[in-house]
Order: sequence, then structure tokens, then C-alpha cells
Amino acid sequence: KNEVEQSPQNLTAQEGEFITINCSYSVGISALHWLQQHPGGGIVSLFMLSSGKKKHGRLIATINIQEKHSSLHITASHPRDSAVYICAVLYGGATNKLIFGTGTLLAVQP
Amino acid sequence: DARVTQTPRHKVTEMGQEVTMRCQPILGHNTVFWYRQTMMQGLELLAYFRNRAPLDDSGMPKDRFSAEMPDATLATLKIQPSEPRDSAVYFCASGPGRVLEQFFGPGTRLTVL
Repeated sequence: KNEVEQSPQNLTAQEGEFITINCSYSVGISALHWLQQHPGGGIVSLFMLSSGKKKHGRLIATINIQEKHSSLHITASHPRDSAVYICAVLYGGATNKLIFGTGTLLAVQP
Repeated sequence: DARVTQTPRHKVTEMGQEVTMRCQPILGHNTVFWYRQTMMQGLELLAYFRNRAPLDDSGMPKDRFSAEMPDATLATLKIQPSEPRDSAVYFCASGPGRVLEQFFGPGTRLTVL
């Protein structure tokens, strides 16, 4: 069982739809990172958060530390949002490294 | 526009050959990470440096892989000898200090025939 699980693994949406991608993890963490990877491979940092909610443009990320869960929302989705979205968690203590989820492949159709 | 650069971007080689991948971290960043990405495993940490010193290379096959930072502007990942199962995209990332804050390079796509 992966320590970091994302759902759904694949998601197809119509342009304009509201999208939610979920990330669950199995033990306590100190922080979480959402990343975006476009076709062609480049990885871009979207959000780093340890509590509450962050917003950047049409993207919103939330985290509930007690429930060990984070969500990434995209409002008014657009075909250019099509990418793989990756959740990575930072465990506290001796394991000072990011553990990655397997990603959610999002396709937004016009 | 500060970016992490990686060379080469693509490499095709035959089994048994040595492969060297290079990474130039963003100027001023003191942490450098090497990752491998495959369809099956996703992103996996291979090695992690802070101030040029290796802090964690537990994810790296020690018999054939080696990672070094000869100076603050260059990190290298070597595979010798390469095997077809090493085919993957290798990413370098650098950061200003916190493990969470990482900026990724464009990756090196390695194919071992």
C-alpha cells in the first residue's frame, strides 16, 4: 500500500467544470506539496502547505492534518490545465524527504 | 529567470555503457535532489545533498549508481554499468533550504537498450 494515495488516478472533464483531486496519507506529516507535470515532463510547484487553505488564480489547495487529507481544486477548468497532478508529503522526524503519490492524470476537453 | 538546468535532455545508450547526467542548481540554493520517474513507480528519491554533502542516498542502487557535487554549481549522477531497467526520466531539483521547497529541472530521459 502506497503511503500517499491519490484519487482519482484518471480524470476527464469538460472545459469549465469544477475539478477536485484528492490526496490521502497514512501517517502524520509536517507539510504537503502539490506539483503539476505537463506532457513533455516539466514539473512545476503549485502549492506548499501545512494547514488550512491556499489559493492561486483558479487553483485552491486545502489540507486537513487531523484527517490526513488534502484536496486540489480547479475552478473553471481549461484544456491548458490538462496535466498530471502530484501530491508529495513531508514526514516529520528522521525521514526528512518527500514521499510522492502516483499522480492524477487530468484531461480537460474543450 | 533562475532555473535548474539538466544535461543531456535525452540519452540513448547500450547496456553496459557509463551514463553521466549533470545538473546545475539555481544559484544560491544549498539543497539538491536526484529523482527517478518511471510509469510503474512514479517519482522516487535517489539522493539528497545539502551544502554539497550527501545526506540521503538510501534510494540509490549502490553497486552501479553514484552521485556527487564537485562544486556548488554542479551535481552529477552516474550509472556504471547501465542496464535496461535504468530507463527512466531522471530529475534534479534544488532548493533554498527547506526540503519541502524544491524547484525541478526539465529532466533527462534515459533509454538503455
